[in-house]
Amino acid sequence: DGGITQSPKYLFRKEGQNVTLSCEQNLNHDAMYWYRQDPGQGLRLIYYSQIVNDFQKGDIAEGYSVSREKKESFPLTVTSAQKNPTAFYLCASSQGRTTNEKLFFGSGTQLSVL
Amino acid sequence: QQQVKQSPQSLIVQKGGIPIINCAYENTAFDYFPWYQQFPGKGPALLIAIRPDVSEKKEGRFTISFNKSAKQFSLHIMDSQPGDSATYFCAASPYTGTASKLTFGTGTRLQVTL
Repeated sequence: DGGITQSPKYLFRKEGQNVTLSCEQNLNHDAMYWYRQDPGQGLRLIYYSQIVNDFQKGDIAEGYSVSREKKESFPLTVTSAQKNPTAFYLCASSQGRTTNEKLFFGSGTQLSVL
Repeated sequence: QQQVKQSPQSLIVQKGGIPIINCAYENTAFDYFPWYQQFPGKGPALLIAIRPDVSEKKEGRFTISFNKSAKQFSLHIMDSQPGDSATYFCAASPYTGTASKLTFGTGTRLQVTL
């Protein structure tokens, strides 16, 4: 089945620790995105990438980093600089070739602080 | 990015009722308005979308109504079912924008009771 796989489903971070969330897609999409979802705040864009080896900051990039070494993979690292990391993190992809594109989302990773 | 205001925050209706979720925007450059549906523990999925050249769009039991002059759009769910219980997000983007330009509303949690 084609889709987006996020892992792990649940993740716990200790103070001062960096953690990495995995996102893999087999839809052959060019563009990939990371969103943060907090209760009552909707979806906010962290980073996005429209092509391999290139990515741009979204609205709330501080305290996060990404890489795009392969078309299929777009991991997100939540660094120790992110002081309020507890949230539901969603990875998404789109074809990346047109406007008004449909976003395809993974099932998310719930990150909590110990 | 300009804000998209969504209301109500939560909504409870009986089976067969017609829940209505409203969104308002400010940026006149917005001209693509999708709705995403999210079940608990899952990522959002595109439900229906509209462009400003039409005032209404129907897909099955779901209808978007669009009022360009008021800069408002709404989602109606006809003959609602318990399986429609989910969180609904409206969103908006400018025509020239890729999915990275989508601005999401804060979400409406819908519960359909028997």
